[in-house]
Amino acid sequence: AQSVTQLGSHVSVSEGALVLLRCNYSSSVPPYLFWYVQYPNQGLQLLLKYTTGATLVKGINGFEAEFKKSETSFHLTKPSAHMSDAAEYFCAVGGGSNYKLTFGKGTLLTVNP
Amino acid sequence: ETGVTQTPRHLVMGMTNKKSLKCEQHLGHNAMYWYKQSAKKPLELMFVYSLEERVENNSVPSRFSPECPNSSHLFLHLHTLQPEDSALYLCASSQDGGAGADTQYFGPGTRLTVL
Repeated sequence: AQSVTQLGSHVSVSEGALVLLRCNYSSSVPPYLFWYVQYPNQGLQLLLKYTTGATLVKGINGFEAEFKKSETSFHLTKPSAHMSDAAEYFCAVGGGSNYKLTFGKGTLLTVNP
Repeated sequence: ETGVTQTPRHLVMGMTNKKSLKCEQHLGHNAMYWYKQSAKKPLELMFVYSLEERVENNSVPSRFSPECPNSSHLFLHLHTLQPEDSALYLCASSQDGGAGADTQYFGPGTRLTVL
């Protein structure tokens, strides 16, 4: 069984500030971890994913995430927020040969000028 | 067209109507998915098709009926829906439905309102 907890349903930052969106997971098999972003009136778009290998994963738009097995975490960061980063962000976990992804409830990021 | 497309983008229907949602993927993928996205809730996986065969039916009420005539097209047939079925319905596809590391590519969704 797998689950995802995203801490904070809403995060607000100033433009230029660090973005940190938290994700903790639970998985009985080695996890595959994903971050997706959803802009208003659009579907989900993959930001980055971790499967195996390097634990620091770089994605699109300057985002990165680090897989920490000991902490069962996969937090998403970006050094400097831009207004265009305002969106909802979803963490998801998959595993093994199972196609099924389990999503978190999402974190809405607002960026203030 | 590129990626995953969905039509219509918006749909309003009465509880006695019958309507269908359409999804088409232009990525050459073998697996397709229907998800339901409701406010304040995680995405709910409804159905999965791999190579046109249904491999997942996640306890979805029978008023939702999927159809996958080929690996590029996926339909969701709707009948006698309830107001609580109002949601954003997302279609996705992936290269291989049996691999957990596969990236799922999402369409823009159909915003459904049931009156």
